[in-house]
Amino acid sequence: DQQVKQNSPSLSVQEGRISILNCDYTNSMFDYFLWYKKYPAEGPTFLISISSIKDKNEDGRFTVFLNKSAKHLSLHIVPSQPGDSAVYFCAAHPSNTGKLIFGQGTTLQVKP
Amino acid sequence: AAGVIQSPRHLIKEKRETATLKCYPIPRHDTVYWYQQGPGQDPQFLISFYEKMQSDKGSIPDRFSAQQFSDYHSELNMSSLELGDSALYFCASTLRASYNEQFFGPGTRLTVL
Repeated sequence: DQQVKQNSPSLSVQEGRISILNCDYTNSMFDYFLWYKKYPAEGPTFLISISSIKDKNEDGRFTVFLNKSAKHLSLHIVPSQPGDSAVYFCAAHPSNTGKLIFGQGTTLQVKP
Repeated sequence: AAGVIQSPRHLIKEKRETATLKCYPIPRHDTVYWYQQGPGQDPQFLISFYEKMQSDKGSIPDRFSAQQFSDYHSELNMSSLELGDSALYFCASTLRASYNEQFFGPGTRLTVL
């Protein structure tokens, strides 16, 4: 039972354009959502997060949008850079535990 | 800035052997999480500790045990290793008071032959 789903295994965009990575969840008890970036042979690196009481959080080139009614969140990267090429994981946890439930990941390729 | 340290980075074991993975959290972090990532899969939560006590448990086999020590480092002990235990094992740390952002170590790649 995949509670956090990233339905696009891969995404390819041109440098300078916007990258949009999507994530859906099923557990209404989730109240905190995070995006991690992962390079091969490295641990996940925290990117940005959002609480369920907000619908948007922005940090530099990264913006996360949360639509609670649709149980959907997205990560926007503008402008995309070749160094952004990596696997992006969406993760979530409910308020009473810090254990993260991860999506399957989306491999982003930013072409020069 | 200091990050989460995991050792060893790579480990090769035979079936039925034992393995011990170590995690040193970021200084002042009191909470440690262990995750297992199989080939082509997303990380799966195994177990977590807060102030040296087990705080949560996920899909961790009975053959595995873990603990957190007084200096907050943690060890994951794995016995009777099976081929299916081959995976990347990540440790993450955070401050319980703000446990929303977990900081991950580089992982230990365990290969069971």
